[in-house]
Amino acid sequence: NAGVTQTPKFQVLKTGQSMTLQCAQDMNHNSMYWYRQDPGMGLRLIYYSASEGTTDKGEVPNGYNVSRLNKREFSLRLESAAPSQTSVYFCASSERWGRQPQHFGDGTRLSIL
Amino acid sequence: DQQVKQNSPSLSVQEGRISILNCDYTNSMFDYFLWYKKYPAEGPTFLISISSIKDKNEDGRFTVFLNKSAKHLSLHIVPSQPGDSAVYFCAADANAGGTSYGKLTFGQGTILTVHP
Repeated sequence: NAGVTQTPKFQVLKTGQSMTLQCAQDMNHNSMYWYRQDPGMGLRLIYYSASEGTTDKGEVPNGYNVSRLNKREFSLRLESAAPSQTSVYFCASSERWGRQPQHFGDGTRLSIL
Repeated sequence: DQQVKQNSPSLSVQEGRISILNCDYTNSMFDYFLWYKKYPAEGPTFLISISSIKDKNEDGRFTVFLNKSAKHLSLHIVPSQPGDSAVYFCAADANAGGTSYGKLTFGQGTILTVHP
């Protein structure tokens, strides 16, 4: 998808391992988001960043941390991965706080064994 | 507790006909509603939205209808095209004051297949 790049696209981890999912947007957007999608469910908000320098918890933040490194980048970290965190993770951005996310990355498919 | 529900997992429609995708919600605090479209192996793309102060919003072939008393919204696609084949998610935002802050609650999605 144009504008929001997620890395990696796929990852397999063992329980207890840590990793960071990277997200970068090149649209000069102010707000960024991390969602997860589980089979048969809609996307659920993990964390969001309304603007550079701020982050807040979403609906399902437990087990995750985030960093808004700069205006472009918003990373999601799993400190000690658990099988329940097996999911597809989507990063999204919106031009400003108060606008819906319009652009999503193509997702990171994460499996935790 | 699923606050936004799309009860039809899939819908099949002939090219040129109307596609109607439905969504129900339970949270009375939702005041902004959105539809997203998702192709396989891609992220969702914003399609259309509606504020709770309106009952209809139209954008080209896409129209969203909101029935607040029934807590129901629908997306109409007319005419349907094979390129519309995708998963459609409805989403809702609460206490948003006529806009969205991205703190969205999504439905499970409906797979739309448009046959040539």
